[in-house]
Amino acid sequence: AQTVTQSQPEMSVQEAETVTLSCTYDTSENNYYLFWYKQPPSRQMILVIRQEAYKQQNATENRFSVNFQKAAKSFSLKISDSQLGDTAMYFCAFLRGNAGNMLTFGGGTRLMVKP
Amino acid sequence: DTGVSQDPRHKITKRGQNVTFRCDPISEHNRLYWYRQTLGQGPEFLTYFQNEAQLEKSRLLSDRFSAERPKGSFSTLEIQRTEQGDSAMYLCASSPYQTGDKSYEQYFGPGTRLTVT
Repeated sequence: AQTVTQSQPEMSVQEAETVTLSCTYDTSENNYYLFWYKQPPSRQMILVIRQEAYKQQNATENRFSVNFQKAAKSFSLKISDSQLGDTAMYFCAFLRGNAGNMLTFGGGTRLMVKP
Repeated sequence: DTGVSQDPRHKITKRGQNVTFRCDPISEHNRLYWYRQTLGQGPEFLTYFQNEAQLEKSRLLSDRFSAERPKGSFSTLEIQRTEQGDSAMYLCASSPYQTGDKSYEQYFGPGTRLTVT
């Protein structure tokens, strides 16, 4: 079974600054995918970024990038130039390398962006 | 392109009553998932369908829970004899079943918040 751990329950950052959210996972699989999802207050879950385990290059999506360390089983999310709209719960999630399988989520990190 | 929709958005029921939720996935998506999210926690997997076939069920899905996807389009999740511990957000997600990078992405609906009094 897979486990996903987010060790930072809450974080805050000043607007326009950079923040990094941590995630570690445990698996015996070699083929898998990792995701970061954003859940704004009272709004639905949005996919932020995806990383395939077989790719060495870290994924980037505009202001969002990841630091994927496969050997260490670490998958952190960096948000650059933080905006007020980035305030949300952020969930790290793991998916085995089979499109039909379920996501395993971490407990989440509540991020507050301060003006 | 419309996203995943869920109905109702909120449901308040008394303990012991039955409730049913509906999920409409993105139209071309073959796979449909149900998750449950309690306050302050990450979602937990309940079950998933490929077309009309229910392929996997979590141990969280007790005998009081049943899910269907009769024509491979929308899905329903029914909870019989609700208990206070069933109070949670019930999330639906869908994904395409095709080759390519996007096939592993799941897109979530807004959820149905259930309160059992």
